[in-house]
Amino acid sequence: EPEVTQTPSHQVTQMGQEVILRCVPISNHLYFYWYRQILGQKVEFLVSFYNNEISEKSEIFDDQFSVERPDGSNFTLKIRSTKLEDSAMYFCASSTGTFLYEQYFGPGTRLTVT
Amino acid sequence: AQTVTQSQPEMSVQEAETVTLSCTYDTSESDYYLFWYKQPPSRQMILVIRQEAYKQQNATENRFSVNFQKAAKSFSLKISDSQLGDAAMYFCAYRSPYKLTFGKGTLLTVNP
Repeated sequence: EPEVTQTPSHQVTQMGQEVILRCVPISNHLYFYWYRQILGQKVEFLVSFYNNEISEKSEIFDDQFSVERPDGSNFTLKIRSTKLEDSAMYFCASSTGTFLYEQYFGPGTRLTVT
Repeated sequence: AQTVTQSQPEMSVQEAETVTLSCTYDTSESDYYLFWYKQPPSRQMILVIRQEAYKQQNATENRFSVNFQKAAKSFSLKISDSQLGDAAMYFCAYRSPYKLTFGKGTLLTVNP
């Protein structure tokens, strides 16, 4: 069964460093998403991406964050200058459409900022 | 903006028994979709069940069913014949076109 994959599974970085989290969505999916989950808290929406453009973003997704689909398979989330509060699990998801269409989640990348 | 509220931080159930997890939401939209996701200790998000707001019939997936009350904006999940593998965090979610809005989750413990 096709699945969303994410690399790395765990990333440790120092405050102020740039990180890039990578995702490979399911191949025929058109909509891509990033969510984050701070330990012990709910899953929060960051951004959605369709047709090489951001469809919607949350207030969390400020100028420190950017997304890109550099080729036909990868979808990346970049954090330019990490802060301690960016420590969280980051989930990538993809779907074939909006609304009813299921968002398939990847296993997540645990980001630890020290 | 839509909000999703799960008022039960933790629930427990005996194996083989039934448990109901509560969820309420707030929206001004008339057509929308609601989902329950399961997050086991591995932290992978797994879709359990979905409900389309324009359908009056409650969704059912094997041992999982929902009680959808549109007027009350309530969307509870019933797990029948609970199994040890059902132990997980359960999140209720509201689907807008481009995002999911999650509740804070209910941690379900299944006792043997």
